[in-house]
Amino acid sequence: GQNIDQPTEMTATEGAIVQINCTYQTSGFNGLFWYQQHAGEAPTFLSYNVLDGLEEKGRFSSFLSRSKGYSYLLLKELQMKDSASYLCAVRDRGGFQKLVFGTGTRLLVSP
Amino acid sequence: GAVVSQHPSWVICKSGTSVKIECRSLDFQATTMFWYRQFPKQSLMLMATSNEGSKATYEQGVEKDKFLINHASLTLSTLTVTSAHPEDSSFYICSARDLRREVDNEQFFGPGTRLTVL
Repeated sequence: GQNIDQPTEMTATEGAIVQINCTYQTSGFNGLFWYQQHAGEAPTFLSYNVLDGLEEKGRFSSFLSRSKGYSYLLLKELQMKDSASYLCAVRDRGGFQKLVFGTGTRLLVSP
Repeated sequence: GAVVSQHPSWVICKSGTSVKIECRSLDFQATTMFWYRQFPKQSLMLMATSNEGSKATYEQGVEKDKFLINHASLTLSTLTVTSAHPEDSSFYICSARDLRREVDNEQFFGPGTRLTVL
């Protein structure tokens, strides 16, 4: 089975840095994705980690530790438009390589 | 590239009727498409994996006779909610994998379909 946990809600101030954690327990791991989702819209791809370490992409960075079953998404220089839900998803090693999503974290950025 | 469309974007139907939702990959071929359901303020829950030319694989707890999936071509999968009830009201999202992206096999998501059953 798979179990993926994230904090339910987080708040931060415009211009600040926020770290969203994700812990997972899976029977077969083949990569971890982070998605951003605004209310009523489809998720949009942010980052992908399959090896341990940090992946940086502009204001967004994602870290993975496979031995600890742990990842985080780091958002720098927060903007109001970053207010959204952030979904951690683990890709299964099985034939379909399906994604299993975490509980999602709602981030509210205030002025 | 890698655009996935869904139709309709929203639908309202009466209880007991059936509703069909289409998922299309517009500029790539996808042997595998996934159907998700998302209730308000919750995360995406995988319902089933749709494979071109074969039967869909359903997740535990998802009724295959209620949620009919057909993947007739490499660019189209359909989800039919049969005998819909108010508790089926939800946001249904599909995703597709691009056959050409062998390295990361990223999934591309459609814009979603909001289903409301009265």
